[in-house]
Amino acid sequence: DQQVKQNSPSLSVQEGRISILNCDYTNSMFDYFLWYKKYPAEGPTFLISISSIKDKNEDGRFTVFLNKSAKHLSLHIVPSQPGDSAVYFCAASANGAGSYQLTFGKGTKLSVIP
Amino acid sequence: SQTIHQWPATLVQPVGSPLSLECTVEGTSNPNLYWYRQAAGRGLQLLFYSVGIGQISSEVPQNLSASRPQDRQFILSSKKLLLSDSGFYLCAWSVGVGFYSGETQYFGPGTRLLVL
Repeated sequence: DQQVKQNSPSLSVQEGRISILNCDYTNSMFDYFLWYKKYPAEGPTFLISISSIKDKNEDGRFTVFLNKSAKHLSLHIVPSQPGDSAVYFCAASANGAGSYQLTFGKGTKLSVIP
Repeated sequence: SQTIHQWPATLVQPVGSPLSLECTVEGTSNPNLYWYRQAAGRGLQLLFYSVGIGQISSEVPQNLSASRPQDRQFILSSKKLLLSDSGFYLCAWSVGVGFYSGETQYFGPGTRLLVL
């Protein structure tokens, strides 16, 4: 059973426009959510996180929104740049024992077209 | 600042040969350590994690094993590699800020393993 789902395997966006990457989860115990960016043949790079006590967290061009009632989060990149082209992974962890363990989605490949 | 190293970067091994991948972390103490595998076209699969020296938990039964001989060293091994072991292996670390707090994991550069 996949507890973290990224239903769009790929997304193409024009440079300068907004990129919106979506993620859904099923485990109501998840309370910490992260986004990672990954280039081919490299390790994932941490981008931004959000705790369940918030519904929005912003860092430069990246904003993560959390809708707990819908068990949905999204990553907004504004404006999108060609260097943002990569695979983006959503991840989540649950409160309490084992809270350090992350459950990852399968990723969404973002292509930013110049 | 913290850094994480993995080696080798690329490895080509015949089926049935042994494997040893090493990961070390600098600039932090008592990290939680993780081994992941990313197979072609798939997401990240957690293989092992460790919360301390000699403490290893396995997430997926397989012919791989892990060891943590030192606080900041994590080793992934196999006695006999299978074709299905091919993939991109990633080591990661995290440090807890509290028992009920989420932890951010930071990944190493990865090792690309091709079993022929």
